[in-house]
Amino acid sequence: KAGVTQTPRYLIKTRGQQVTLSCSPISGHRSVSWYQQTPGQGLQFLFEYFSETQRNKGNFPGRFSGRQFSNSRSEMNVSTLELGDSALYLCASSVGQASGNTIYFGEGSWLTVV
Amino acid sequence: GESVGLHLPTLSVQEGDNSIINCAYSNSASDYFIWYKQESGKGPQFIIDIRSNMDKRQGQRVTVLLNKTVKHLSLQIAATQPGDSAVYFCAETSTGAGSYQLTFGKGTKLSVIP
Repeated sequence: KAGVTQTPRYLIKTRGQQVTLSCSPISGHRSVSWYQQTPGQGLQFLFEYFSETQRNKGNFPGRFSGRQFSNSRSEMNVSTLELGDSALYLCASSVGQASGNTIYFGEGSWLTVV
Repeated sequence: GESVGLHLPTLSVQEGDNSIINCAYSNSASDYFIWYKQESGKGPQFIIDIRSNMDKRQGQRVTVLLNKTVKHLSLQIAATQPGDSAVYFCAETSTGAGSYQLTFGKGTKLSVIP
């Protein structure tokens, strides 16, 4: 069974640009969440989607947005990139229909903003 | 705000010894806890989870202990191997909130001495 797949794995962007990251959850998983990982702040929750609806959102500016498609695949977008947005962006998936389902992470997308 | 933290940022153990990684949490509403292992350049890998109605759960060479009275979580790794070297994160969530937002600790780096 394939795990959580994230693309691209590595990318470099310039300040002011925008970026879109993609995530394919484990087959059958309908909950997809996104996290940002930096050395200074650790792992921080961005948002979570279930059946194309955002159920929860972390404390990030509106430049960070996401969406989920009918096949449960998800994308996140960061507009007007800042140097501080350089981070590992992690996607996680879960069955999502009952509480306490195991949450699995992908390998992440490494974003460098220059 | 409420958060999950770790007592020890680094831990060095001799190969073959047992390792104990500790975690404190402050959200009394948390009822689901997960330990993740993250190797350099990779995403967090699920190790073991435990629900608040349990005190102990065992997996392959790993045991998680939960003490709700003092809001403490620990991960025990038996017969630690070089492949166990990684950063370990505890994460917690309140499943009653209906979402899958994990709050992560800062992480403990485990180094196994051959």
